[in-house]
Amino acid sequence: NAGVTQTPKFRILKIGQSMTLQCTQDMNHNYMYWYRQDPGMGLKLIYYSVGAGITDKGEVPNGYNVSRSTTEDFPLRLELAAPSQTSVYFCASRKGGQGSHEQYFGPGTRLTVT
Amino acid sequence: AQKITQTQPGMFVQEKEAVTLDCTYDTSDPSYGLFWYKQPSSGEMIFLIYQGSYDQQNATEGRYSLNFQKARKSANLVISASQLGDSAMYFCAMRGHLSGNTPLVFGKGTRLSVIA
Repeated sequence: NAGVTQTPKFRILKIGQSMTLQCTQDMNHNYMYWYRQDPGMGLKLIYYSVGAGITDKGEVPNGYNVSRSTTEDFPLRLELAAPSQTSVYFCASRKGGQGSHEQYFGPGTRLTVT
Repeated sequence: AQKITQTQPGMFVQEKEAVTLDCTYDTSDPSYGLFWYKQPSSGEMIFLIYQGSYDQQNATEGRYSLNFQKARKSANLVISASQLGDSAMYFCAMRGHLSGNTPLVFGKGTRLSVIA
């Protein structure tokens, strides 16, 4: 049981480049989330999904896109990278349902845009 | 909307002493959950403890306990017998509408340093 996995661990992008951050969970969780964490700050929600085919915006969605074609995968797409997107990105998942409260996090992807 | 406030940017504690990390919250949801996560220097987010708004007793998990005062809207984390390995960032978070799908909202965190 690998839990929540993210790739890559680190990435440097030039301004205007695009990339996809991968996130996979093997716990059959319904809910998945993408957060960003800027230096010295807490986590802010970018997008989330309550199941395959369903996604919704969080607090800071501009500049990002997501898709959820399967239960396991929830990739985050950056189309035109900007320096303001330099951050650590965390993917998380949660089973959902009665009594299921804990949210499991991946190890994070550190992205630098120069 | 939910809001979490952590007013202590940094805290120091002597090894083996207890420490309290403050967290206040604001929500209009009748049912909600409060969480604490630890983030060591390696960067991962580690779940520590959970408290539901209707739970009768304060949550405890080993050396961690949550001092939940509903009327004051506070959910302070108490770490007993601090260890050097407790040095990390600590985030308080909440989720409203526990029966629904609202995501976690995080505070800005408190950096705890344990001194030998």
